[in-house]
Amino acid sequence: DVKVTQSSRYLVKRTGEKVFLECVQDMDHENMFWYRQDPGLGLRLIYFSYDVKMKEKGDIPEGYSVSREKKERFSLILESASTNQTSMYLCATILPGVEKLFFGSGTQLSVL
Amino acid sequence: SQQGEEDPQALSIQEGENATMNCSYKTSINNLQWYRQNSGRGLVHLILIRSNEREKHSGRLRVTLDTSKKSSSLLITASRAADTASYFCATDRGFGNEKLTFGTGTRLTIIP
Repeated sequence: DVKVTQSSRYLVKRTGEKVFLECVQDMDHENMFWYRQDPGLGLRLIYFSYDVKMKEKGDIPEGYSVSREKKERFSLILESASTNQTSMYLCATILPGVEKLFFGSGTQLSVL
Repeated sequence: SQQGEEDPQALSIQEGENATMNCSYKTSINNLQWYRQNSGRGLVHLILIRSNEREKHSGRLRVTLDTSKKSSSLLITASRAADTASYFCATDRGFGNEKLTFGTGTRLTIIP
């Protein structure tokens, strides 16, 4: 099975801090995704990447950036964390030809 | 923007009963998928149905798709306590980048 690992399960940061969320997949997949999940809003796509150094904005990219220097690692960056970025962040990758997403366990980020 | 809306938002049933969840979406799709999320964890893929299919089964799961009504339903038969989770539909609009758009979810509680 595909393994997607998110570096932190829970994270508490202060307003204005720069925050890095790391995601690693073990299957050499090209496509990787970052979603945020909020109650009543479901999952919303922040950014996705379809290869090393390639990225595209999702539906809510404002306040975020991403980095993909190696195929297995996709990082989400909050340049200056704000309280409205308190959320569950989910990383995912997709199995080519199978069309289903594999998710990490999520990072619950609290910005105080 | 949200593509899918699940209905109901929350559902509680007795163990052994059947559970039905519905999903409506707005634009044409390539396929529709259902995912399950146990509390505070990542999502797990359950089943995929393509736009040219009307019904699909997988174990105790039955999914239907009505593209004329832009809706899908997920039926879980003979529910078990372990089915307690949130269920999300996700649509692939066929842009070629395998980007999925998720609904807001149904919270299912199975009462032992």
